[in-house]
Amino acid sequence: QVQLHESGPGLVKPSETLTLTCAVSGGSVNSGSSYWSWIRQPPGKGLEWIGYIYYRGSTNYNPSLKGRVIMSLDTSRSQFSLKLNSVTAADTAVYYCARGWSAFDIWGQGTMVTVSS
Amino acid sequence: QSVLTQPPSVSAAPGQNVTISCSGSSSDIGTNDVSWYQQFPGAAPNLLIYDNRKRPSGISDRFSGSKSGTSATLVITGLQTGDEADYFCGVWDSSLSSPWVFGGGTRLTVL
Repeated sequence: QVQLHESGPGLVKPSETLTLTCAVSGGSVNSGSSYWSWIRQPPGKGLEWIGYIYYRGSTNYNPSLKGRVIMSLDTSRSQFSLKLNSVTAADTAVYYCARGWSAFDIWGQGTMVTVSS
Repeated sequence: QSVLTQPPSVSAAPGQNVTISCSGSSSDIGTNDVSWYQQFPGAAPNLLIYDNRKRPSGISDRFSGSKSGTSATLVITGLQTGDEADYFCGVWDSSLSSPWVFGGGTRLTVL
């Protein structure tokens, strides 16, 4: 059974780059037709889709993040990553990685990221 | 402000049925398939319904979904105290504004 696990720093300074990794276990990150997404949830608020990376490497990002997002795949380590640059306090949230694009059937447990100096 | 509109809260007694609505537009719900997620406090969301009405393996048949026009509905029958959670709808948006959108979420309280 595929499982996802996010990792990364819990605290990032304003204007710096947030980098998170999602490890895929029980399956392969480059298995056929797999889309790998990042979704975030500010404290006490709803869900916001950040974007996805297809197993072949193509990406699709939420335009609201205004070009600050880069996603990548590391097939040798069976993981995928999120980089969000020029962060502000508004980027403080629980960040989830998930599988899928038309529906998200597997989620990581989430990792809290706080943007603060 | 979310693109999809859900009631902020609903409540009902154990054993009763509850309906959660999700209202969108022609470019999202009107065109694409809706999914629903259940989220307990401090936990990740869990897929309840996909493709408007399909249930993943392991999801109780007390949960059902439907779609009509630009709205979708989640129905929970025979409410249990363990159903108390937040529920989110989500759908792909065919417009260029935002590829994927979620509703603002509905807090279900089992009285």
